[in-house]
Amino acid sequence: RKEVEQDPGPFNVPEGATVAFNCTYSNSASQSFFWYRQDCRKEPKLLMSVYSSGNEDGRFTAQLNRASQYISLLIRDSKLSDSATYLCVVATGTASKLTFGTGTRLQVTL
Amino acid sequence: DTGVSQNPRHKITKRGQNVTFRCDPISEHNRLYWYRQTLGQGPEFLTYFQNEAQLEKSRLLSDRFSAERPKGSFSTLEIQRTEQGDSAMYLCASSIAGTGDEKLFFGSGTQLSVL
Repeated sequence: RKEVEQDPGPFNVPEGATVAFNCTYSNSASQSFFWYRQDCRKEPKLLMSVYSSGNEDGRFTAQLNRASQYISLLIRDSKLSDSATYLCVVATGTASKLTFGTGTRLQVTL
Repeated sequence: DTGVSQNPRHKITKRGQNVTFRCDPISEHNRLYWYRQTLGQGPEFLTYFQNEAQLEKSRLLSDRFSAERPKGSFSTLEIQRTEQGDSAMYLCASSIAGTGDEKLFFGSGTQLSVL
């Protein structure tokens, strides 16, 4: 079983739609959680950290369920510029060594 | 530009040759990471340094791979006797240790193609 599992997609949604991505992780000792965004042929960039209480940044909402070892990302009012791969990322241990999922590809269309 | 810098951006080499990549982290960052990413996969951890000390290496890092960070600033990743399976994007990232919410900043990567 992979340490971090995501549905690879692609998710094809129209502009303005709400879309949700899910992710599960296997190591219960994981301490920090993130969503990174990666555009085609570019480096990953931090989108947002994920906190136990849930957190929101504009149109983006992240949730963490430690009991189920489950992380989610909700994007409201999708824009064309949201088209990218969204990587679920988990950090375990003091070094914050990140373990990445394979990513979920989102394509927002007109 | 004060971000993480990687050179070269692209490298094409023949099987069996040695290659070396360089990474210059954000100047105040004391941690430096190397990751490898192949098409359709997320980045995979290879190794990391805190200052000049290499503190962890992945099992993915065979003995053909070596990384250094001699003065705790820039780092190099060398691959000896390259194989076609080494073809990938090699990503460097840096961070500041001890903040409690450590965030990694990635460079643009070096795309390696082994023919």
